[in-house]
Amino acid sequence: GAVVSQHPSRVICKSGTSVKIECRSLDFQATTMFWYRQFPKQSLMLMATSNEGSKATYEQGVEKDKFLINHASLTLSTLTVASAHPEDSSFYICSARDAAGVDTQYFGPGTRLTVL
Amino acid sequence: RKEVEQDPGPFNVPEGATVAFNCTYSNSASQSFFWYRQDCRKEPKLLMSVYSSGNEDGRFTAQLNRASQYISLLIRDSKLSDSATYLCVVNKPSQNFVFGPGTRLSVLP
Repeated sequence: GAVVSQHPSRVICKSGTSVKIECRSLDFQATTMFWYRQFPKQSLMLMATSNEGSKATYEQGVEKDKFLINHASLTLSTLTVASAHPEDSSFYICSARDAAGVDTQYFGPGTRLTVL
Repeated sequence: RKEVEQDPGPFNVPEGATVAFNCTYSNSASQSFFWYRQDCRKEPKLLMSVYSSGNEDGRFTAQLNRASQYISLLIRDSKLSDSATYLCVVNKPSQNFVFGPGTRLSVLP
């Protein structure tokens, strides 16, 4: 299957710090990438849809000024958690849509964010 | 009602058992269906797509019933390595995937 990388894999930071997470599709072009958040023992919750060259579409209840998304190229999307707080601690996972083949999503390995 | 619902689980089965997971979806316009597998503290990985005619991949068989808006996954001869959470996913063209809450499977020695 297609390969999606995510960096960093783990972040521990102090409250108030901004954290940037990168998501890259390594062997295909992804016009659409998705950002999810998963709390322990819960399912994935879609935060936003990121389209290359345009503004991201945020799900209801997700603050766009807090979760800044940039999708500057067909292989890279970034999520910046601005002024992170302990309640932002979660597992953040990106995925990229490979519309060229079977229309499915391939996930990055995730970033575990812990805000102290 | 949630858009995608799954058996709550967990399922605890012995090695070699056959286990079936059920999933229902509410949006009749959904057109693509998948089963993903997620290991603890890892990302979901595509297990198989689900087609109307049903499809099989080794010990795994997926079925789709559009009339009942129902999807199933059958695992035969369970292995310890099958222990994971299984996510049912539905999709409409040009729209986002909707994930079910997942069903956790533990295969016991």
